[in-house]
Amino acid sequence: QVQLVESGGGLVKPGGSLRLSCAASGFTFSDYYMSWIRQAPGKGLEWVSYISSSGSTIYYADSVKGRFTISRDNAKNSLYLQMNSLRAEDTAVYYCARGIAALDFDYWGQGTLVTVSS
Amino acid sequence: DIVMTQTPLSSPVTLGQPASISCRSSQSLVHSDGNTYLSWLQQRPGQPPRLLIYKISNRFSGVPDRFSGSGAGTDFTLKISRVEAEDVGVYYCMQATQFPLTFGGGTKVEIK
Repeated sequence: QVQLVESGGGLVKPGGSLRLSCAASGFTFSDYYMSWIRQAPGKGLEWVSYISSSGSTIYYADSVKGRFTISRDNAKNSLYLQMNSLRAEDTAVYYCARGIAALDFDYWGQGTLVTVSS
Repeated sequence: DIVMTQTPLSSPVTLGQPASISCRSSQSLVHSDGNTYLSWLQQRPGQPPRLLIYKISNRFSGVPDRFSGSGAGTDFTLKISRVEAEDVGVYYCMQATQFPLTFGGGTKVEIK
């Protein structure tokens, strides 16, 4: 069955860095685009970044552009999010989700919590 | 950026009664390929979001047929024909027609 498992979250000080991972299984990872979506405590959903199935096309939300870097390793069935210069407002549960053709975000991981605080 | 506006913010519903959620986009969601990439997601308490409806009206695999989507252009609706206890949660519309992808603010469905 399709599984997406995020890891790498934790407590980090403002200005610090963190690398999130999303391990995929149960499907042909290289066929799907992937995205990171976050949810601040008690708030709604915010799309963060997108990477195409091959990794050749990447987009970011303005709120993270220049600070976050999305990447993927299709040989390892893994998605990553390198987060630098973290701010308090980056505190959120970060989800990875997949999509293909018109089927956007059909499966989500359970999420990993990132807390940015001194 | 396309702004997605959902109403109502909260919808108290009696079990077995219908519920309806509206989503309006700040510009047309019709893509240059002719498709409209409007989805609806459900987030139950303590759970990740789950896809219910894609491309306005297509139910995702395993989604009960009491859920239906409709609309066109900038106005969309999610309907639950008869609310069940397991439907409690927050519902989000989302557009994937244009980057940045954007979500509505969410509508909380609760039982009266």
